[in-house]
Amino acid sequence: EAGVTQFPSHSVIEKGQTVTLRCDPISGHDNLYWYRRVMGKEIKFLLHFVKESKQDESGMPNNRFLAERTGGTYSTLKVQPAELEDSGVYFCASRRGEGANEKLFFGSGTQLSVL
Amino acid sequence: GQNIDQPTEMTATEGAIVQINCTYQTSGFNGLFWYQQHAGEAPTFLSYNVLDGLEEKGRFSSFLSRSKGYSYLLLKELQMKDSASYLCAPRGYNKLIFGAGTRLAVHP
Repeated sequence: EAGVTQFPSHSVIEKGQTVTLRCDPISGHDNLYWYRRVMGKEIKFLLHFVKESKQDESGMPNNRFLAERTGGTYSTLKVQPAELEDSGVYFCASRRGEGANEKLFFGSGTQLSVL
Repeated sequence: GQNIDQPTEMTATEGAIVQINCTYQTSGFNGLFWYQQHAGEAPTFLSYNVLDGLEEKGRFSSFLSRSKGYSYLLLKELQMKDSASYLCAPRGYNKLIFGAGTRLAVHP
C-alpha cells in the first residue's frame, strides 16, 4: 500500500511568487490534513478535509493560502503571493475514518524556502 | 487555550532507558498519540493512549494521566537508531495538536 506522498519535496521561490504543493493521501482515506512546521517551532494545524469538504480551516494563516481537494482525492495547497514567513515544512497527513484512535499517516513534507 | 510542553532536547546512552515527559492543555480530549520523526522524514506513529495507565509495545511504552494532563514515552534498551524527534500529540475534537517535540540523541 502506497503511503502519503507529497510533491515537491523541496521548493525555493522568491517573495511574491506563487507555489502550489500537492498531497496524495492513502487511497480510501477520507480525512486529509495539512500541517506546517516553522523552524524550531511546533507542527501547527492548517486545515482538515473530509472528502472534498473543508471540515476545519481554522489554522490557515491568511487569505494568501488556498487549499483544495477536488473530487476528494489529492489535495493542493497554494500560497500566493508567498512571503518570507511562509518558509517551513508543510506536512500532509491522512486517515481513513472518524474513530478517535485512528492514527494519522504523514507524508515526508515539502520544504518551502521563500527568499 | 491549547498548549503542549515537552523538553526540547535530551541525550542518553545506548542500552539505557529514557523517559520523555509531556504536559498538555487542549480544548476537548480524545486520546494522545506519540510520533517519532527522523530528520527529513515523515512522522511515524508510535503509540496511542485514551485511558489512564501504561500501554506497552516492545521497547516503547506510553503512559497517560488525563486528570493531570500528563503523558510520558518510555524507551528501553536504547539503540542508535532511536535518535530522532519525539512528538506528543493530544487529539482535540477532530485534529491532533502537536508541540515542538523532543530531540533525542543516543550516543555510544
